[in-house]
Amino acid sequence: DIQMTQSPSSLSASVGDRVTITCQASQDISNYLNWYQQKPGKAPKLLIYDASNLETGVPSRFSGSGSGTDFTFTISSLQPEDIATYYCQQYDNLPPTFGQGTKVEIK
Amino acid sequence: EVQLLESGGGLVQPGGSLRLSCAASGFTFSSYAMSWVRQAPGKGLEWVSAISGSGGSTYYADSVKGRFTISRDNSKNTLYLQMNSLRAEDTAVYYCAKDPGGSYYVGAFDIWGQGTMVTVSS
Repeated sequence: DIQMTQSPSSLSASVGDRVTITCQASQDISNYLNWYQQKPGKAPKLLIYDASNLETGVPSRFSGSGSGTDFTFTISSLQPEDIATYYCQQYDNLPPTFGQGTKVEIK
Repeated sequence: EVQLLESGGGLVQPGGSLRLSCAASGFTFSSYAMSWVRQAPGKGLEWVSAISGSGGSTYYADSVKGRFTISRDNSKNTLYLQMNSLRAEDTAVYYCAKDPGGSYYVGAFDIWGQGTMVTVSS
């Protein structure tokens, strides 16, 4: 199975800060990577697909980049409603696998 | 509006069985592969199983292979997960999720249900 390693596992930032999360795959996955947001008690929500494409309706402060094994997810200006856990997920190989998650909190 | 609504969760004893359902609306159900993804309390996300739009192809995580069966009834726009020989480690919220890749399995998830809780305990 492809292992997805996210870092950091948690972070605390101020409103308006730029937030960056990294995700590393254990092998080349091209751009077959998605990013999800999960708020407490809610289902995950797709934010970024194919590593860098913004899902319809998702605010433009969210972005993604990378290919191969190294990927980055960025919130350009953190808002209070962005408090959530964020997951990367690869779908290059079966089984699809997720990173362990990054919990984002407001400082 | 595209919507997925799971049901069928509950408390079951180790070794028992449970069948989950996921009712879909707002899209042509038979045109999309579907998956089940679970999340143990306080833990991350784990893909469980997937099925093609026609139901002709199924896929399973090693952790559930031989115990769980995924199926669908396209006439009822409903996805199922039959879970047998349940273990404590199967305790989780189970989500159904739509695959954006069309009828063939891709392994991405663009729409999620709200989840149904399965607790395996004596």
